[in-house]
Amino acid sequence: EPEVTQTPSHQVTQMGQEVILRCVPISNHLYFYWYRQILGQKVEFLVSFYNNEISEKSEIFDDQFSVERPDGSNFTLKIRSTKLEDSAMYFCASSVLGPEQYFGPGTRLTVT
Amino acid sequence: KQEVTQIPAALSVPEGENLVLNCSFTDSAIYNLQWFRQDPGKGLTSLLLIQSSQREQTSGRLNASLDKSSGRSTLYIAASQPGDSATYLCAVQGGSEKLVFGKGTKLTVNP
Repeated sequence: EPEVTQTPSHQVTQMGQEVILRCVPISNHLYFYWYRQILGQKVEFLVSFYNNEISEKSEIFDDQFSVERPDGSNFTLKIRSTKLEDSAMYFCASSVLGPEQYFGPGTRLTVT
Repeated sequence: KQEVTQIPAALSVPEGENLVLNCSFTDSAIYNLQWFRQDPGKGLTSLLLIQSSQREQTSGRLNASLDKSSGRSTLYIAASQPGDSATYLCAVQGGSEKLVFGKGTKLTVNP
């Protein structure tokens, strides 16, 4: 069964460093999303991406964040200058034209 | 602003018991509601999706219902098993693509 994959599973970085989180959505899906979950808190929407552009973003998704679909398969989230409060589990999700979103296993980002 | 609440926050039951998890949302103008399962440190597995025109969906021992007008959904798990132990998340989708999540109910099924 097709699934969303994410790499790395765990990333440790120092404050101020740039990180890139990678996702491979399900191959025939057209909508791509990033969510995050700070430990003990709700899953929060960051951004949605369709037709090679951002279709919606939350107030969390400020200028420090960017997304890209560099080729036909990968979808990336870049954080330019990480802060301690960026430590969280980051989930990628995708959907075809329908409403059901399929989530990847997540990348745990630890900022020290 | 849509808010999703899940009650109870945690639930512990003996194996074999039938149980109900509750989800409520403040804005009834939703397009669909999705129930997920999350195992510790893992991703989200989609269990059931109920579109706004539907009242319920069933998959195996799981049954989810939706009452849009009252802003409520329930997830019924029949004959619970230790393997059902996980956190169950409810998420709603309104006029945009994003899902708004509740904090989840942590379920423990004791053998």
